[in-house]
Amino acid sequence: SQTIHQWPATLVQPVGSPLSLECTVEGTSNPNLYWYRQAAGRGLQLLFYSVGIGQISSEVPQNLSASRPQDRQFILSSKKLLLSDSGFYLCAWSVQTGRLAEAFFGQGTRLTVV
Amino acid sequence: GNSVTQMEGPVTLSEEAFLTINCTYTATGYPSLFWYVQYPGEGLQLLLKATKADDKGSNKGFEATYRKETTSFHLEKGSVQVSDSAVYFCALTHSNSGYALNFGKGTSLLVTP
Repeated sequence: SQTIHQWPATLVQPVGSPLSLECTVEGTSNPNLYWYRQAAGRGLQLLFYSVGIGQISSEVPQNLSASRPQDRQFILSSKKLLLSDSGFYLCAWSVQTGRLAEAFFGQGTRLTVV
Repeated sequence: GNSVTQMEGPVTLSEEAFLTINCTYTATGYPSLFWYVQYPGEGLQLLLKATKADDKGSNKGFEATYRKETTSFHLEKGSVQVSDSAVYFCALTHSNSGYALNFGKGTSLLVTP
């Protein structure tokens, strides 16, 4: 069966520090991968999605970046965190079946920038 | 671009009450529509989905019908339970965005005994 791992679960980082959140998927090949952010009162915002290795699409311009160095690995990064980067970050994957694509979510990372 | 609008919360209901959470969408063509649920402290789980007009998705007593003419996908349940307390997200996917889920802002539901 397929599983998705996301870590760490919680993170407290100072302003200006770098960030690296990792997400890996097991049990499937060539998934679509996604990073979302859930900020208080703002719902879920799609940040990045990837349909293959090295292919990243950005939905919102900001100081975050994403990379997909391996088929089932998706990394969210920042060189210098801002206070506004605080939030709940969710990684998700889906099989590439288009209209039937159901997304499966990790447990999330609670990031607090102080 | 694609967007989803759902009713503002929080919604507070007594156990066994009828639930409706409204959701409307903006998109070209025929997106797929979803309801996801987030229980306290957890990630999101798919609740139900519909991929074409007039489809009805259903799961755990919840239902939603894809209405193309009103661009809506309202979530309903005839009798809610305390365990249904959660945040509910309406979402769509479309080929013009890599089938990434585009979510509404979420509606918090609290069911009291």
